Amino acid sequence: QLQLQESGPGLVKPSETLSLTCTVSGGSISSSSYYWGWIRQPPGKGLEWIGSIYYSGNTYYNPPLKSRVTISVDTSKNQFSLKVSSVTAADTAVYYCARQRADSYDKRFDYWGQGTLVTVSS
Amino acid sequence: QSALTQPASVSGSPGQSITISCTGTSTDVGGYNSVSWFQQHPGKAPKLMIYAVSNRPSGVSDRFSGSKSVNTASLTISGLQAEDEAVYYCSSYTSSSTVVFGGGTKLTVL
Repeated sequence: QLQLQESGPGLVKPSETLSLTCTVSGGSISSSSYYWGWIRQPPGKGLEWIGSIYYSGNTYYNPPLKSRVTISVDTSKNQFSLKVSSVTAADTAVYYCARQRADSYDKRFDYWGQGTLVTVSS
Repeated sequence: QSALTQPASVSGSPGQSITISCTGTSTDVGGYNSVSWFQQHPGKAPKLMIYAVSNRPSGVSDRFSGSKSVNTASLTISGLQAEDEAVYYCSSYTSSSTVVFGGGTKLTVL
């Protein structure tokens, strides 16, 4: 059974860089059938797609966040990572990693991590 | 890209059916069949309920069904049960190779 687990600091200071890692177990991150994505959810609010990465390193980002976001993949560790620079309180959210199908007609997020709360505060 | 439009809340009594709409544009919902629906209970990760407009993942009850007409996708839950009370989100692939979510709909089972 595929499992995804987010890890990283739960508290980040304003203007600093938020860094999270998603470890994939029970399946290979190098599969050509999937992207690997990050989604976030501010407290009490809705879901926001941050971006996705293919095992080859091709990335796709949400335009409003693109200038501050970097997603990378480490196939040797079966992990992918998220960095958000110059964070503010508006970046406080539960951050989820998820597997995304790469079919031309089907881009569903079918497996999700449990999520990790990141708070931006001094 | 703008979020897909969902009603903030819907409600129904046990046994009844409800439908949640998700309105986008020709560059997302209307242009692709990659529309998904997620169920989220408080404090939990979203759970995939419908993908590719009308397909159910293994293990999801057949009380859940999806459809699409032009730029609006819909999720119908029949035979409402107390456990269906949750927030439901739609999502769609877009012409910019991005993903957009709806704002979420809180379902209350009366």
